[in-house]
Order: sequence, then structure tokens, then C-alpha cells
Amino acid sequence: QKEVEQNSGPLSVPEGAIASLNCTYSDRGSQSFFWYRQYSGKSPELIMSIYSNGDKEDGRFTAQLNKASQYVSLLIRDSQPSDSATYLCAVNEPGGGSYIPTFGRGTSLIVHP
Amino acid sequence: ETGVTQSPTHLIKTRGQQVTLRCSSQSGHNTVSWYQQALGQGPQFIFQYYREEENGRGNFPPRFSGLQFPNYSSELNVNALELDDSALYLCASSLHQGFDEQFFGPGTRLTVL
Repeated sequence: QKEVEQNSGPLSVPEGAIASLNCTYSDRGSQSFFWYRQYSGKSPELIMSIYSNGDKEDGRFTAQLNKASQYVSLLIRDSQPSDSATYLCAVNEPGGGSYIPTFGRGTSLIVHP
Repeated sequence: ETGVTQSPTHLIKTRGQQVTLRCSSQSGHNTVSWYQQALGQGPQFIFQYYREEENGRGNFPPRFSGLQFPNYSSELNVNALELDDSALYLCASSLHQGFDEQFFGPGTRLTVL
């Protein structure tokens, strides 16, 4: 069974701190990797995509990918209360001759003032 | 630029009934994907349509079916509703075939009694 695993949390950090969110995946053939943010009662919103090993930075967000360890993470610097949301990790895994997106169940992040 | 829209917002059905959910893709997007998100879970991929053809399917039974129209809008049909079909149904559109840069609609909340 292919899985994308995330700690459900909640992860609680103080305002201004670095929030670190982690995700592991089971299929070594997986390609594209994504982080989505989902506010309560809203739909997911893409915040980062990463395709190769290493770090990718976009503003306060850094995605890190380690294919050997089957691990992808998201760092949020200078966390703000508005970052409080559920963060979903998504992985495109091989399936049916193509790639199929598999989402983790998400990590709830709470940034307190 | 018009974003992804879905209708209806909420729907209540009884077990055994059939339901049709609708999605209008973002302007210029020719690919639509459908997801089911149960409470506390990540979205599960149902299927994708690219230029009116099914282009990948997740682990859902045949009673989940879909259509894409020439204007790239899409429908999700579910027959013989079961209680476990109660969920948020999300539509996402993208500019290209595949699962990169997906933009999600607000979702349809389906309750099956």
C-alpha cells in the first residue's frame, strides 16, 4: 500500500519561530512533490513544489527533498499567526502506467502570538 | 481571470440515490481533477480529465464516473450513494496534463443519510 505519512500534530510554535513540517513517502519511484496549505473550511492552496534533491526557497518557505531517505519537509521562517492551517504533503507516485497524486492527511500548525 | 468554481456548495442525499457535482475550470485550463476529502483526511484522487478524455484514475469503484465538456468544465457523477461517500468533493484545474500547479475550487460538501 503506497503511503504518504505526516504527523497530524498539532504543531504549536510561537510567532517569529521556524516551523518544521515533515513528510515521508513509501514509493521510491515517486516524482513531483508538493506542499499545500488548507485553512479550516477552505480548499487546498499550492505553496511549494519540488522535483529534485536539495532545497528550494520561496520567500519565508523552504522545501527540502531527500529521495534517498524518501523524505520531504517544509520550513516556514518567521512564522505568523496567519500561517495557522493544515499543511498537506502530496507526492506523485507511479500507478497505472502514469503518476497518481497521493496526499498525506496533513499536519495542523498553530502559530501563537 | 475567473478561478475554479463548483456547484452546489452543499448537498444532502439519501443512501442509494445518485448525485451530479459540477466544476468550471480556471480560464485557459484544459485539465480537471476530482478529489474526495473525508473529515480529517487528505484529499484522495478520484480521476483526471484532459481534453475530454479520462487521463488517470484512483482507487474508486466504477459508480464514480465523470465527464469533461468542450469548454473544459466537468461533472462528477456518483451512483448508488453509500454513507461513506459523505465528504468534501474537490475539483482542481491545471494548465497542463498531470498534477503540477493545480488550483482547487471551493468544494462541494456531500452528506449521505
